[in-house]
Amino acid sequence: EAQVTQNPRYLITVTGKKLTVTCSQNMNHEYMSWYRQDPGLGLRQIYYSMNVEVTDKGDVPEGYKVSRKEKRNFPLILESPSPNQTSLYFCASGIPRGEQYFGPGTRLTVT
Amino acid sequence: QKEVEQNSGPLSVPEGAIASLNCTYSDRGSQSFFWYRQYSGKSPELIMSIYSNGDKEDGRFTAQLNKASQYVSLLIRDSQPSDSATYLCAGGFSGGYNKLIFGAGTRLAVHP
Repeated sequence: EAQVTQNPRYLITVTGKKLTVTCSQNMNHEYMSWYRQDPGLGLRQIYYSMNVEVTDKGDVPEGYKVSRKEKRNFPLILESPSPNQTSLYFCASGIPRGEQYFGPGTRLTVT
Repeated sequence: QKEVEQNSGPLSVPEGAIASLNCTYSDRGSQSFFWYRQYSGKSPELIMSIYSNGDKEDGRFTAQLNKASQYVSLLIRDSQPSDSATYLCAGGFSGGYNKLIFGAGTRLAVHP
């Protein structure tokens, strides 16, 4: 089954404790992206990757890091999470200006 | 920055009616448009893509694109309570934008 997977699905953590959210896709897509979704603010892009080893900032990159060492994986790293990073996070893969497919989401709470 | 605008709703329609969801965008250079359905707390699900002017039908869904008017719409025929969700319009724009630009979404409520 073609899909994007994310782990964990739910995470509660404390301020400053580094965490990684994994994302993997099995559709052989070059393009992958991370979004956060907050009430009233819609979907905002954090980082994207056009292909392996090529990543770039989206609209709200502050406080986040990414890496793309393999085509299928695109982890999101929060090195020192803060409460304002509490959000619903989605990974997506597909075509930069075309069809994109979303993972199930990760609900992160930072206390 | 390109913009995609949607009425936030809620749009309330009775079961069996046609639901009409609308979206406008700010630039004529846009190339492609997409409609996503998102249930509360779930991820956006791609339901329609449209690349050229006119109508595109898929089952109960019809997407309409009018590039001259910078207007995209989604019609849902024979609306069902299970169609109750937020519908996101997204545009793929030329000019160096390596992403989709999403509208804020329209909440649709289909009541029995």
